[in-house]
Amino acid sequence: DIVMTQSPLSLPVSPGEPASISCRSSQSLLQSNGYNYLDWYLQKPGQSPQLLIYLGSIRASGVPDRFSGSGSGTDFTLKISRVEPEDVGVYYCMQALQTGFTFGPGTKVDIK
Amino acid sequence: QVQLQQWGAGLLKPSETLSLTCAVYGGSFSGYYWSWIRQPPGKGLEWIGEIKNSGTTKYNPSLKSRVTISADTTKNQISLKLTSVTAADTAVYYCARGLGGSGSYWGQGTLVTVS
Repeated sequence: DIVMTQSPLSLPVSPGEPASISCRSSQSLLQSNGYNYLDWYLQKPGQSPQLLIYLGSIRASGVPDRFSGSGSGTDFTLKISRVEPEDVGVYYCMQALQTGFTFGPGTKVDIK
Repeated sequence: QVQLQQWGAGLLKPSETLSLTCAVYGGSFSGYYWSWIRQPPGKGLEWIGEIKNSGTTKYNPSLKSRVTISADTTKNQISLKLTSVTAADTAVYYCARGLGGSGSYWGQGTLVTVS
């Protein structure tokens, strides 16, 4: 199984400030087609997870451009350029390379 | 707008069988991978398994001996069965369409408590 780790696990941020979450996989998620099979999800309080980023850096439909994903291989980053109050929740990375998808432990983002 | 609606029994006794169903409304059923994921209270997400359009299934090895995922294409529904449940199976269970793709959709989640 591919093991996913995230840091930090808790991230208090002030509105309007940037935020960054790191995700690491136990093996490379880079395929020969040049794509990294890494997704980012946000689970808002009391809701189902919603897809933010797929293939490492592509924003899902309707996702604000303040969210961006980067990285390759085993190291990835999700950045929020300016945190809004509605961005609070738990952020998960998920490897989509191998069926038997695995998720990181989650990073809880809340407002200071 | 695509919506996944799921339902099933929310309270089970140990050793009983968990049974959940998920249906898609406002979107296509065929041509997608369908998955089940669970989340124990206050914890992270665990992939349970998936079923492909062809009916081929894959399961989490830790649950494989107890899990069955099936599809009813006439009703545009998928189902999850988990046998011999214990308290460790207490979780919110989600169905999802297209997990790992460019636009996954998730159901609203069903809390299943084993007690």
